[in-house]
Amino acid sequence: EAQVTQNPRYLITVTGKKLTVTCSQNMNHEYMSWYRQDPGLGLRQIYYSMNVEVTDKGDVPEGYKVSRKEKRNFPLILESPSPNQTSLYFCASIPRAQSNEQFFGPGTRLTVL
Amino acid sequence: GENVEQHPSTLSVQEGDSAVIKCTYSDSASNYFPWYKQELGKGPQLIIDIRSNVGEKKDQRIAVTLNKTAKHFSLHITETQPEDSAVYFCAPTSYNFNKFYFGSGTKLNVKP
Repeated sequence: EAQVTQNPRYLITVTGKKLTVTCSQNMNHEYMSWYRQDPGLGLRQIYYSMNVEVTDKGDVPEGYKVSRKEKRNFPLILESPSPNQTSLYFCASIPRAQSNEQFFGPGTRLTVL
Repeated sequence: GENVEQHPSTLSVQEGDSAVIKCTYSDSASNYFPWYKQELGKGPQLIIDIRSNVGEKKDQRIAVTLNKTAKHFSLHITETQPEDSAVYFCAPTSYNFNKFYFGSGTKLNVKP
């Protein structure tokens, strides 16, 4: 089944404890992206990747890191999480950057205490 | 970047009524206009889209209309059903854009 998977789905952590949220797609998509969703703000793009080893900042990149070593995986890294990073996170992929339709993962709800 | 506004933020209708959600954008280079539906506990999913060379597109009970001159497009849902209850997002963009900007979302509640 073609899909985008994220792990974990739920995570509660403490300030300063490094964490990684994994994202994987099995559709051979070139473009991958991370969003955070907060009430009243919609989805805001954190980072995106046009292809392997190519990443760039979205609208809200502060406090996050990403890597794209393989086409299928695009992990989101929080080196030192803070409470303002408590949010619902979505990974998405697109066949090519110019295809436009995005395929979303199920989401990761992160709470930073 | 693109400035996207979506209205209303919440919409409550009776089953069988119609619902309309409007999205305005700022970048005249935008040429792809999708609507996503997000059900509770799930990621957004594309339900309908339109490209700039078309003014309207229909798919059964849902339709999207585009006014490029005024820089807005709208989602129309007719004969609403309880399963239409969800949050809807617009995300106008262009084939040349690398970044994506979403509206703030509209929570639609269809009352049985």
